Amino acid sequence: KQEVTQIPAALSVPEGENLVLNCSFTDSAIYNLQWFRQDPGKGLTSLLLIQSSQREQTSGRLNASLDKSSGRSTLYIAASQPGDSATYLCAVRSPSGTSYGKLTFGQGTILTVHP
Amino acid sequence: NAGVTQTPKFRILKIGQSMTLQCTQDMNHNYMYWYRQDPGMGLKLIYYSVGAGITDKGEVPNGYNVSRSTTEDFPLRLELAAPSQTSVYFCASSYSVGEKLFFGSGTQLSVL
Repeated sequence: KQEVTQIPAALSVPEGENLVLNCSFTDSAIYNLQWFRQDPGKGLTSLLLIQSSQREQTSGRLNASLDKSSGRSTLYIAASQPGDSATYLCAVRSPSGTSYGKLTFGQGTILTVHP
Repeated sequence: NAGVTQTPKFRILKIGQSMTLQCTQDMNHNYMYWYRQDPGMGLKLIYYSVGAGITDKGEVPNGYNVSRSTTEDFPLRLELAAPSQTSVYFCASSYSVGEKLFFGSGTQLSVL
């Protein structure tokens, strides 16, 4: 059974810092891994999607890496801003015998960037 | 672009009542999903659909039903609401299993 863990559960940093959020998963047989952002009272917004054959994806100040063999992914946020404050979730899609695979979410990291 | 639209945003039900949560997407996505999000429990899949006329159960389907008569719409039906169904419900869609998921803004449901 795939399990996804995110560390830390919460993180508070001053504006301008570079930071790393961690995601680990127990079964390395995955299709892809996705990082999401969730603002309070809102839905999830997909930030980056990494296919199992890829090592990293970049979008603006965000960079996500994937190491399948060790079951880890990191989300790097450069030059953090107060607007980056949100909950960040990772989700792993794994084979499950169904046509959609199975998407397993982590519990999320609550990020606060203070001015 | 509308993306994934959910209605209503908030709803309070009495125990035993029924209701339908509406979800529609305008991106011509084949895959649609219903999740519930409970504090400290993460997101759990209720039902999913791989195309019009095809639906299947997820991890927590009991107490719910779905239908997919068109590509755009994927309503979730709650029959005989129970307090355990108090949660935030999200509808999502994707073109395929290898593509990004797009989420609606959610429905906050309380069953009292």
